[in-house]
Amino acid sequence: GESVGLHLPTLSVQEGDNSIINCAYSNSASDYFIWYKQESGKGPQFIIDIRSNMDKRQGQRVTVLLNKTVKHLSLQIAATQPGDSAVYFCAETSGNTPLVFGKGTRLSVIA
Amino acid sequence: KAGVTQTPRYLIKTRGQQVTLSCSPISGHRSVSWYQQTPGQGLQFLFEYFSETQRNKGNFPGRFSGRQFSNSRSEMNVSTLELGDSALYLCASSLVINNEQYFGPGTRLTVT
Repeated sequence: GESVGLHLPTLSVQEGDNSIINCAYSNSASDYFIWYKQESGKGPQFIIDIRSNMDKRQGQRVTVLLNKTVKHLSLQIAATQPGDSAVYFCAETSGNTPLVFGKGTRLSVIA
Repeated sequence: KAGVTQTPRYLIKTRGQQVTLSCSPISGHRSVSWYQQTPGQGLQFLFEYFSETQRNKGNFPGRFSGRQFSNSRSEMNVSTLELGDSALYLCASSLVINNEQYFGPGTRLTVT
């Protein structure tokens, strides 16, 4: 079946720099997307979501961009901090189908 | 508002045994989903319940089952445990289906 994938399995950034985590999805029918952050020993934490009728949504220090033409999703983290170090997952769903998660990208912040 | 709680947090079982995991959703949330997380397979969907009815089921054998109670609390059961069932089992709740899901800390199951 179709699933969500990620371009980069690991990402290292300097503290204070901006981070961009990418995600490719294959189900063109997906209409709702979520980014999650998972720290070691914890469950995934909701960061931000976006529906398919939008192409950009901003939160606190985070921005999600959705490009439906190329089925691409990205998470931008501004002024990356050590506390941002974690694994980030994108997830997609359409209608009443379950969330499908990507494999995850590990973000490592270098102080 | 309290978050999603899962019990127990850690569990060690022997092959062939069965196990029951519990999840209490955020107050007011009526949808509960279960996921299995392993290093090799990532987060895989098990099942989703809404108002005591199973709405979706993932591609797992019949040894995996679940239910939801009238107070939205949910349990999942795994019978005849196999070594490959060792994983972090995560529960997530949401107000309704296809809405933002909030995860609990998970139950770490080790099968020996």
